[in-house]
Amino acid sequence: DQQVKQNSPSLSVQEGRISILNCDYTNSMFDYFLWYKKYPAEGPTFLISISSIKDKNEDGRFTVFLNKSAKHLSLHIVPSQPGDSAVYFCAATSQGGSEKLVFGKGTKLTVNP
Amino acid sequence: DAGVIQSPRHEVTEMGQEVTLRCKPISGHNSLFWYRQTMMRGLELLIYFNNNVPIDDSGMPEDRFSAKMPNASFSTLKIQPSEPRDSAVYFCASSGRTGSYEQYFGPGTRLTVT
Repeated sequence: DQQVKQNSPSLSVQEGRISILNCDYTNSMFDYFLWYKKYPAEGPTFLISISSIKDKNEDGRFTVFLNKSAKHLSLHIVPSQPGDSAVYFCAATSQGGSEKLVFGKGTKLTVNP
Repeated sequence: DAGVIQSPRHEVTEMGQEVTLRCKPISGHNSLFWYRQTMMRGLELLIYFNNNVPIDDSGMPEDRFSAKMPNASFSTLKIQPSEPRDSAVYFCASSGRTGSYEQYFGPGTRLTVT
């Protein structure tokens, strides 16, 4: 049973427009969420995170929004650039629990010039 | 600073052979994680260590898989005997900053078992 779901396997956007990647979770114990970016033949790299005490966290062009009641988070990239083309993974964990991260299956983002 | 180092980057072996994957975590990190990525199952945690001690191995698929961390700078994941369904990309990650859940991943080992 998938506890973290990324229902869109792929997303294509035009350069300069907004990219919105979505993630849903089922485990109500999750209270810390992370986004990772992965290029081909490389390991995932940390992008941005958010704790459940917040509903928004921003870092440059990247903003993560958390809706706890809906058990939903999203990553916004504005403006999108061709170099953002990668697979994006959502991950979740429970603070105070183990250090385990539970990952979604990823969304492949393609930003077209 | 060197990141997480994994070797080999690619491994092709025949069914029934023993395979050993290696990982050197970031210096100073005290937690180490082994993941497997497949198309079907995505990125799944196999086992993780804290201060060289295995904490959770519930993700290890079966007894053919074993992992060790003899010291703070080295870990191995061994598959014996290997099977074609073990073909996947295996990632090692480490973390160490108190209160941070960020994990730093190595480049992965692509394993193909024929």
